[in-house]
Amino acid sequence: EVQLVESGGGLVQPGGSLRLSCAASGFTFSSYWMHWVRQAPGKGLVWVSGINSDGSRTTYADSVKGRFTISRDNAKNTLYLQMNSLRAEDTAVYYCARGDGYSYVNWGQGTLVTVSS
Amino acid sequence: QTVVTQEPSFSVSPGGTVTLTCGLSSGSVSTSYYPSWYQQTPGQAPRTLIYSTNTRSSGVPDRFSGSILGNKAALTITGAQADDESDYYCVLYMGSGIRHWVFGGGTKLTVL
Repeated sequence: EVQLVESGGGLVQPGGSLRLSCAASGFTFSSYWMHWVRQAPGKGLVWVSGINSDGSRTTYADSVKGRFTISRDNAKNTLYLQMNSLRAEDTAVYYCARGDGYSYVNWGQGTLVTVSS
Repeated sequence: QTVVTQEPSFSVSPGGTVTLTCGLSSGSVSTSYYPSWYQQTPGQAPRTLIYSTNTRSSGVPDRFSGSILGNKAALTITGAQADDESDYYCVLYMGSGIRHWVFGGGTKLTVL
């Protein structure tokens, strides 16, 4: 059974940093693109970032480019999202998702990030 | 900036058929955008329904189907059930050069 478990969310002040993790199991992690998708309270889903299977290619939404860094450790079956220079508008539930082709196949339960003073 | 459009809300009667659409603010949606569809109920993670236009994800009943209708991607629910009442999101893949994905704003489906 595919499992994706996010962690690392919490309350952080504007301008601060946070690193999210997503522990994967139940599939060959090193074979798939992985993504982060977020959802602000009461709002819709927004794609944030993606990384290819070996970590050599990354891509970001314009809203986070230069502030967020996606990475992965295939030996640990773990996906990361380093978030710097956080803003109030980054407040959201962050989901990790397994990619397959050009879509998302499996989702974690999400971790809440709140940016507030 | 590319905007992916969805109906903000829709309603369907139990047992009825409803088609939700996914368009572009400029241009037409084709299979080259690999449209996919996701269902989300409040407080829950999204669930994948359809990918690559019309392929059902594992375990998704066949009353959910995807297609291209005119210049939009479409999700059709046939024989709507009460537990289909959810938010539905489409995503379009924005091309091999930049490899971005853009979600639509979502459609809140009411079954009544």
